[in-house]
Amino acid sequence: DVKVTQSSRYLVKRTGEKVFLECVQDMDHENMFWYRQDPGLGLRLIYFSYDVKMKEKGDIPEGYSVSREKKERFSLILESASTNQTSMYLCASKRESYNEQFFGPGTRLTVL
Amino acid sequence: SQQGEEDPQALSIQEGENATMNCSYKTSINNLQWYRQNSGRGLVHLILIRSNEREKHSGRLRVTLDTSKKSSSLLITASRAADTASYFCATRGDSSYKLIFGSGTRLLVRP
Repeated sequence: DVKVTQSSRYLVKRTGEKVFLECVQDMDHENMFWYRQDPGLGLRLIYFSYDVKMKEKGDIPEGYSVSREKKERFSLILESASTNQTSMYLCASKRESYNEQFFGPGTRLTVL
Repeated sequence: SQQGEEDPQALSIQEGENATMNCSYKTSINNLQWYRQNSGRGLVHLILIRSNEREKHSGRLRVTLDTSKKSSSLLITASRAADTASYFCATRGDSSYKLIFGSGTRLLVRP
């Protein structure tokens, strides 16, 4: 079974803190993604990585950065957390040239 | 509206009934996917239908695609309480890596 894990299910941080969200997949997938999900807005792509050390901006990259030093791990970084970054964050992975994405359980981040 | 809009936004049915959800999209597609999300969890891929297919089945799921109307529907037959979830359609964005998700249909199946 494909497994995508995220480092925390729930996280509470203060405004201005640097926040790291980690995602690990165990199926040797080339592509990895970070989304945020907000009520009424669906899923919006923040960043994706099509291979190790490669990254591309998604639709809403402002205020975020990413790191992919190893194939199995994709990190999302909030350099200085703000209250408008309170959201559900979902990581996903897929094999290159395939369509189906496999999602992690999500991290519900609250920024106070 | 964004690519991949589901309708209705919410649906409440009795166990055993069928549930139908619709998705409309704007641009031409190679394929369309449906995903399910249980409350507070990640998404799970349900089914993919290619642009040259009109209908596809998987267990109690039936998906149709009408490329002339730029729409798709997901039918869940003989629904169960465990089908309670949000359902999203997804189409490819401006790059082969991007999926665009709609805002989803929340399905409640009452026991």
